Amino acid sequence: GAVVSQHPSRVICKSGTSVKIECRSLDFQATTMFWYRQFPKKSLMLMATSNEGSKATYEQGVEKDKFLINHASLTLSTLTVTSAHPEDSSFYICSAREQTVNTGELFFGEGSRLTVL
Amino acid sequence: SQQGEEDPQALSIQEGENATMNCSYKTSINNLQWYRQNSGRGLVHLILIRSNEREKHSGRLRVTLDTSKKSSSLLITASRAADTASYFCAPADRGSTLGRLYFGRGTQLTVWP
Repeated sequence: GAVVSQHPSRVICKSGTSVKIECRSLDFQATTMFWYRQFPKKSLMLMATSNEGSKATYEQGVEKDKFLINHASLTLSTLTVTSAHPEDSSFYICSAREQTVNTGELFFGEGSRLTVL
Repeated sequence: SQQGEEDPQALSIQEGENATMNCSYKTSINNLQWYRQNSGRGLVHLILIRSNEREKHSGRLRVTLDTSKKSSSLLITASRAADTASYFCAPADRGSTLGRLYFGRGTQLTVWP
């Protein structure tokens, strides 16, 4: 099956620094990837849709200058949390859809746990 | 686009029992998907049911869809401790070309040995 790899799985940083999280589709091409943030009590929030070769589409209320998304190739999307603050601490998960098969399902990475001190 | 609302929020059962989780949504869908998430991990797709289907099976999973009531249910039969996880439903809207899926809080299932 399709595999999505996310890196790093855990990262701790100081307030004010920037953190980059990578999302790779390992055995398929993905023109579109999705970034989610998971809050305590499990609620999953869609942050943005990452589009290969063009700007990301952000959900309402998500700061695009805070959460920079780059989708430079058909297999890689990155999320950069800029000037991180403790309230940005969360579990970030990416997902992708296999374009050729297009069964409708999403394949998820294993998530990245961000802790901002 | 819409998110599903899972019910109950938490479910605790013994091994061997059946677990039923429900999902409600608000507007017309193309399909509805169920996902599972183990603690601290990503989501895994379980099953997709199309709007013109009423029931679908996959191993010990049974999913029903009632479009008139805008609801779906996920039944796990003969549950095992390894089924302990959070379960999410995601309604896929008609006409959604980008394929965005929105998730709710999920149902936390705990299966005791």
